Amino acid sequence: DSGVTQTPKHLITATGQRVTLRCSPRSGDLSVYWYQQSLDQGLQFLIQYYNGEERAKGNILERFSAQQFPDLHSELNLSSLELGDSALYFCASSVASGLSYNEQFFGPGTRLTVL
Amino acid sequence: GQNIDQPTEMTATEGAIVQINCTYQTSGFNGLFWYQQHAGEAPTFLSYNVLDGLEEKGRFSSFLSRSKGYSYLLLKELQMKDSASYLCAVRGPSRQTGANNLFFGTGTRLTVIP
Repeated sequence: DSGVTQTPKHLITATGQRVTLRCSPRSGDLSVYWYQQSLDQGLQFLIQYYNGEERAKGNILERFSAQQFPDLHSELNLSSLELGDSALYFCASSVASGLSYNEQFFGPGTRLTVL
Repeated sequence: GQNIDQPTEMTATEGAIVQINCTYQTSGFNGLFWYQQHAGEAPTFLSYNVLDGLEEKGRFSSFLSRSKGYSYLLLKELQMKDSASYLCAVRGPSRQTGANNLFFGTGTRLTVIP
């Protein structure tokens, strides 16, 4: 158990819908990262927040957005869902951000299925 | 940009040694990580290299050559439970902000057979 929690564990929805995935980082971690893992594409970095502020963006679609709240939990919002958005979505957290050695701890993931 | 290459699949025998290679071409480099991921589960940290050379941790070792853009993960005394995907990840600057993040390869699926 990494200490990172994600809800829900599974989510099944229809195309065109909107969903929200939630992540609580390890106690004391200020950085939260979101990743998408599809069968054919491996783990893709989406976005990072550090202490409530967006720090870095990866291959995140405009239909997707995220935020980190004052209590440091984070939410990833996926809208206008398409079949291709079906994937495992992982959240990870780390103590800080930047150049220093900074291991990321991953949550158990949310499996999203878009029908 | 970041380009990270690993073999897609490997098979090895229980008790043997296996080496999983990773080559990378990145616009910046601030360390290389190896993660293990069992199917449907979260990746778990195995090792970190930022300087050239070998880092040993029990049955697992990881090697880095920055000049060659090359790393390998060495697994000794293979056990059936080592069957998993092994992800190579390079820490480098984000294109958009310059902040450091992890960029993952597609992973190597290792199957350990009796």
